[in-house]
Amino acid sequence: DSGVTQTPKHLITATGQRVTLRCSPRSGDLSVYWYQQSLDQGLQFLIQYYNGEERAKGNILERFSAQQFPDLHSELNLSSLELGDSALYFCASSVGTGKNTEAFFGQGTRLTVV
Amino acid sequence: AQKVTQAQTEISVVEKEDVTLDCVYETRDTTYYLFWYKQPPSGELVFLIRRNSFDEQNEISGRYSWNFQKSTSSFNFTITASQVVDSAVYFCALSEAWGSQGNLIFGKGTKLSVKP
Repeated sequence: DSGVTQTPKHLITATGQRVTLRCSPRSGDLSVYWYQQSLDQGLQFLIQYYNGEERAKGNILERFSAQQFPDLHSELNLSSLELGDSALYFCASSVGTGKNTEAFFGQGTRLTVV
Repeated sequence: AQKVTQAQTEISVVEKEDVTLDCVYETRDTTYYLFWYKQPPSGELVFLIRRNSFDEQNEISGRYSWNFQKSTSSFNFTITASQVVDSAVYFCALSEAWGSQGNLIFGKGTKLSVKP
């Protein structure tokens, strides 16, 4: 168990809908990262927050947004969902920022858009 | 541009065989970190190792060993005496340096099947 908790584990929704994925980082970790794993794109970095502020952005669509709350949990909001958004979404956390910090991953949320 | 290539898409071995998973990376940074993660069928990503660009010493952890060679930009992973429980997808990753802090660039992964 990595200590990173993601809810829900599975989510099935229809095209055009909006969903929110939740992540609770490990105790003491200030950085939260979101990744998307799809069959065609592989594992891709979406966005990073550190202590409530956005720190880095990757290949995140405009229909997607995220935030980190004062208690350090994070939410990834996906709107106007398309079939191609079906993927496994991972949250990871680390103590700080910087390339030398190892990130611990949650078990992921599997999103299926029908 | 930063990139991680895992040329082997799938590998199948018989239990007790040794197997090496290849990883080649590209980066313009002189300071970077390389990682290996394991994704078993259950889906979670399990951290295996982190290596910084200044430490080329090989590392061994039980049946796992890693060979880092800057001259060939490779960070290969060997499992000795493989077991069925080693069956998983293995990802090599690079920690990006420019303009971001700590996010990972992953290879496409190598699916390892260990047959009894």
